[in-house]
Amino acid sequence: KQEVTQIPAALSVPEGENLVLNCSFTDSAIYNLQWFRQDPGKGLTSLLLIQSSQREQTSGRLNASLDKSSGRSTLYIAASQPGDSATYLCAVQINTGKLIFGQGTTLQVKP
Amino acid sequence: DGGITQSPKYLFRKEGQNVTLSCEQNLNHDAMYWYRQDPGQGLRLIYYSQIVNDFQKGDIAEGYSVSREKKESFPLTVTSAQKNPTAFYLCASEGYGYTFGSGTRLTVV
Repeated sequence: KQEVTQIPAALSVPEGENLVLNCSFTDSAIYNLQWFRQDPGKGLTSLLLIQSSQREQTSGRLNASLDKSSGRSTLYIAASQPGDSATYLCAVQINTGKLIFGQGTTLQVKP
Repeated sequence: DGGITQSPKYLFRKEGQNVTLSCEQNLNHDAMYWYRQDPGQGLRLIYYSQIVNDFQKGDIAEGYSVSREKKESFPLTVTSAQKNPTAFYLCASEGYGYTFGSGTRLTVV
Protein backbone atom coordinates (compact mmCIF):
# COMPACT_ATOMS: atom_id res chain seq x y z
CA LYS A 1 0.00 0.00 0.00
CA GLN A 2 1.38 3.36 -1.06
CA GLU A 3 2.07 5.76 1.80
CA VAL A 4 3.24 9.35 1.51
CA THR A 5 5.06 11.17 4.31
CA GLN A 6 5.95 14.85 4.54
CA ILE A 7 8.58 16.26 6.84
CA PRO A 8 8.53 18.59 8.66
CA ALA A 9 4.88 18.96 9.64
CA ALA A 10 5.41 22.66 10.32
CA LEU A 11 8.12 25.16 9.49
CA SER A 12 8.67 28.80 10.42
CA VAL A 13 11.34 30.85 8.66
CA PRO A 14 12.27 34.53 8.31
CA GLU A 15 11.51 36.27 5.04
CA GLY A 16 14.14 35.84 2.35
CA GLU A 17 15.33 32.42 3.44
CA ASN A 18 15.63 29.54 0.98
CA LEU A 19 13.89 26.40 2.19
CA VAL A 20 13.27 22.76 1.32
CA LEU A 21 10.15 20.70 1.96
CA ASN A 22 10.49 16.94 1.89
CA CYS A 23 8.16 14.22 0.65
CA SER A 24 8.77 10.47 0.69
CA PHE A 25 6.71 7.59 -0.70
CA THR A 26 6.92 3.85 -0.10
CA ASP A 27 6.25 2.43 -3.60
CA SER A 28 8.32 3.68 -6.53
CA ALA A 29 5.66 2.55 -9.07
CA ILE A 30 4.07 5.97 -9.54
CA TYR A 31 2.72 7.76 -12.62
CA ASN A 32 3.58 11.23 -11.40
CA LEU A 33 4.00 13.42 -8.35
CA GLN A 34 2.23 16.70 -7.82
CA TRP A 35 2.85 19.49 -5.32
CA PHE A 36 -0.08 21.63 -4.16
CA ARG A 37 -0.55 24.68 -2.03
CA GLN A 38 -3.56 25.14 0.27
CA ASP A 39 -4.47 28.38 2.01
CA PRO A 40 -6.69 28.16 5.13
CA GLY A 41 -10.27 27.25 4.22
CA LYS A 42 -9.49 27.10 0.50
CA GLY A 43 -9.11 24.46 -2.16
CA LEU A 44 -5.83 23.09 -3.52
CA THR A 45 -3.76 25.02 -6.05
CA SER A 46 -1.42 22.98 -8.22
CA LEU A 47 2.19 24.19 -8.06
CA LEU A 48 4.23 21.64 -9.98
CA LEU A 49 3.68 18.27 -11.65
CA ILE A 50 6.60 15.90 -12.18
CA GLN A 51 5.98 12.94 -14.45
CA SER A 52 7.60 9.64 -13.51
CA SER A 53 10.17 9.96 -16.33
CA GLN A 54 11.25 13.44 -15.21
CA ARG A 55 13.75 14.47 -12.56
CA GLU A 56 12.62 18.01 -11.82
CA GLN A 57 10.30 20.86 -12.69
CA THR A 58 10.66 24.59 -12.12
CA SER A 59 8.18 27.44 -11.89
CA GLY A 60 9.43 30.85 -10.82
CA ARG A 61 10.93 30.57 -7.34
CA LEU A 62 9.81 26.94 -7.01
CA ASN A 63 11.78 23.86 -7.98
CA ALA A 64 10.62 20.31 -7.39
CA SER A 65 12.77 17.23 -7.79
CA LEU A 66 11.87 13.56 -8.01
CA ASP A 67 14.00 10.51 -7.24
CA LYS A 68 11.81 7.47 -7.84
CA SER A 69 14.43 4.93 -6.87
CA SER A 70 14.76 6.36 -3.37
CA GLY A 71 11.08 7.31 -3.10
CA ARG A 72 11.74 10.99 -2.48
CA SER A 73 10.75 14.42 -3.73
CA THR A 74 11.74 17.85 -2.54
CA LEU A 75 10.14 21.25 -3.08
CA TYR A 76 12.66 24.08 -3.00
CA ILE A 77 11.37 27.61 -2.40
CA ALA A 78 13.86 30.38 -3.09
CA ALA A 79 13.81 33.76 -1.36
CA SER A 80 10.69 33.03 0.69
CA GLN A 81 8.04 35.74 1.13
CA PRO A 82 5.20 36.16 3.68
CA GLY A 83 2.78 35.39 0.84
CA ASP A 84 4.27 31.90 0.63
CA SER A 85 2.72 31.08 4.02
CA ALA A 86 0.37 28.14 3.45
CA THR A 87 0.16 24.37 3.73
CA TYR A 88 2.08 22.48 1.05
CA LEU A 89 0.82 19.05 0.03
CA CYS A 90 2.66 16.36 -1.87
CA ALA A 91 0.66 13.69 -3.73
CA VAL A 92 1.61 10.70 -5.87
CA GLN A 93 -0.60 9.30 -8.60
CA ILE A 94 -0.79 5.52 -8.79
CA ASN A 95 -1.85 3.23 -11.63
CA THR A 96 -5.60 3.52 -10.98
CA GLY A 97 -5.39 7.28 -11.40
CA LYS A 98 -5.89 7.97 -7.72
CA LEU A 99 -3.83 10.52 -5.83
CA ILE A 100 -2.33 9.53 -2.48
CA PHE A 101 -1.62 12.55 -0.30
CA GLY A 102 0.86 13.30 2.43
CA GLN A 103 -0.27 15.10 5.56
CA GLY A 104 1.27 18.38 4.43
CA THR A 105 3.83 20.88 5.69
CA THR A 106 2.47 24.12 7.14
CA LEU A 107 4.84 26.96 6.31
CA GLN A 108 4.96 30.34 8.02
CA VAL A 109 7.23 33.02 6.58
CA LYS A 110 7.76 35.88 9.01
CA PRO A 111 8.29 39.44 7.72
CA ASP B 1 -11.70 30.53 -17.58
CA GLY B 2 -11.64 26.76 -17.31
CA GLY B 3 -11.97 25.26 -13.88
CA ILE B 4 -14.01 23.42 -11.31
CA THR B 5 -16.93 25.00 -9.51
CA GLN B 6 -18.15 23.61 -6.21
CA SER B 7 -21.32 24.77 -4.52
CA PRO B 8 -22.39 25.70 -2.00
CA LYS B 9 -19.33 27.01 -0.17
CA TYR B 10 -20.94 26.27 3.21
CA LEU B 11 -23.64 23.68 3.93
CA PHE B 12 -25.43 22.75 7.13
CA ARG B 13 -27.07 19.36 7.61
CA LYS B 14 -29.57 18.33 10.21
CA GLU B 15 -29.48 14.87 11.73
CA GLY B 16 -31.07 12.29 9.41
CA GLN B 17 -31.00 14.56 6.38
CA ASN B 18 -29.46 13.85 2.98
CA VAL B 19 -27.57 16.70 1.34
CA THR B 20 -26.02 17.02 -2.13
CA LEU B 21 -22.79 18.81 -2.97
CA SER B 22 -22.40 20.10 -6.50
CA CYS B 23 -19.27 19.82 -8.65
CA GLU B 24 -19.13 21.14 -12.22
CA GLN B 25 -16.11 21.32 -14.54
CA ASN B 26 -15.60 22.92 -17.95
CA LEU B 27 -12.15 21.42 -18.55
CA ASN B 28 -13.43 18.57 -20.72
CA HIS B 29 -11.81 16.06 -18.36
CA ASP B 30 -13.06 12.48 -18.27
CA ALA B 31 -11.99 11.62 -14.73
CA MET B 32 -13.45 13.27 -11.63
CA TYR B 33 -12.87 12.66 -7.92
CA TRP B 34 -14.32 13.47 -4.50
CA TYR B 35 -12.04 13.83 -1.48
CA ARG B 36 -12.79 14.51 2.16
CA GLN B 37 -10.38 16.53 4.30
CA ASP B 38 -10.33 16.33 8.10
CA PRO B 39 -7.84 18.06 10.41
CA GLY B 40 -4.89 15.78 11.11
CA GLN B 41 -6.04 13.12 8.63
CA GLY B 42 -5.17 14.58 5.28
CA LEU B 43 -7.26 13.98 2.17
CA ARG B 44 -9.13 10.71 1.72
CA LEU B 45 -10.79 9.49 -1.49
CA ILE B 46 -14.57 9.00 -1.35
CA TYR B 47 -15.60 8.17 -4.93
CA TYR B 48 -14.19 8.58 -8.40
CA SER B 49 -15.43 8.38 -11.95
CA GLN B 50 -13.22 7.81 -14.99
CA ILE B 51 -16.00 8.09 -17.57
CA VAL B 52 -19.65 9.09 -17.84
CA ASN B 53 -22.13 6.61 -16.33
CA ASP B 54 -19.40 4.79 -14.41
CA PHE B 55 -17.94 5.35 -10.94
CA GLN B 56 -16.01 3.43 -8.29
CA LYS B 57 -15.80 3.52 -4.51
CA GLY B 58 -12.77 5.05 -2.94
CA ASP B 59 -11.35 4.39 0.50
CA ILE B 60 -14.23 5.85 2.55
CA ALA B 61 -17.38 5.46 0.40
CA GLU B 62 -19.76 4.31 3.15
CA GLY B 63 -22.55 6.81 3.71
CA TYR B 64 -21.99 8.58 0.40
CA SER B 65 -23.40 8.23 -3.10
CA VAL B 66 -22.58 9.79 -6.48
CA SER B 67 -23.84 9.96 -10.04
CA ARG B 68 -22.15 10.78 -13.33
CA GLU B 69 -24.84 11.42 -15.91
CA LYS B 70 -22.90 14.18 -17.67
CA LYS B 71 -19.20 14.63 -18.30
CA GLU B 72 -19.28 18.07 -16.69
CA SER B 73 -21.03 17.12 -13.46
CA PHE B 74 -20.21 14.79 -10.55
CA PRO B 75 -22.53 15.50 -7.58
CA LEU B 76 -21.91 13.91 -4.18
CA THR B 77 -24.77 13.04 -1.82
CA VAL B 78 -24.01 12.72 1.87
CA THR B 79 -26.67 10.38 3.24
CA SER B 80 -28.02 9.97 6.75
CA ALA B 81 -25.93 6.79 6.96
CA GLN B 82 -22.76 8.90 7.16
CA LYS B 83 -22.34 9.26 10.92
CA ASN B 84 -19.62 11.88 10.96
CA PRO B 85 -20.13 14.07 7.90
CA THR B 86 -18.63 17.30 9.25
CA ALA B 87 -15.61 17.93 7.03
CA PHE B 88 -14.25 19.91 4.09
CA TYR B 89 -15.15 18.27 0.76
CA LEU B 90 -13.03 18.75 -2.34
CA CYS B 91 -13.86 17.84 -5.91
CA ALA B 92 -11.17 17.37 -8.56
CA SER B 93 -10.78 16.46 -12.20
CA GLU B 94 -7.80 14.93 -13.94
CA GLY B 95 -6.20 16.17 -17.11
CA TYR B 96 -2.52 17.05 -17.02
CA GLY B 97 -2.38 16.52 -13.30
CA TYR B 98 -5.26 17.22 -10.97
CA THR B 99 -7.30 20.42 -10.74
CA PHE B 100 -9.29 21.03 -7.56
CA GLY B 101 -12.34 23.10 -6.78
CA SER B 102 -12.57 25.57 -3.90
CA GLY B 103 -14.34 23.12 -1.60
CA THR B 104 -17.57 22.82 0.39
CA ARG B 105 -17.52 22.93 4.18
CA LEU B 106 -20.27 20.70 5.58
CA THR B 107 -21.37 21.04 9.20
CA VAL B 108 -23.92 18.98 11.12
CA VAL B 109 -26.27 21.09 13.23
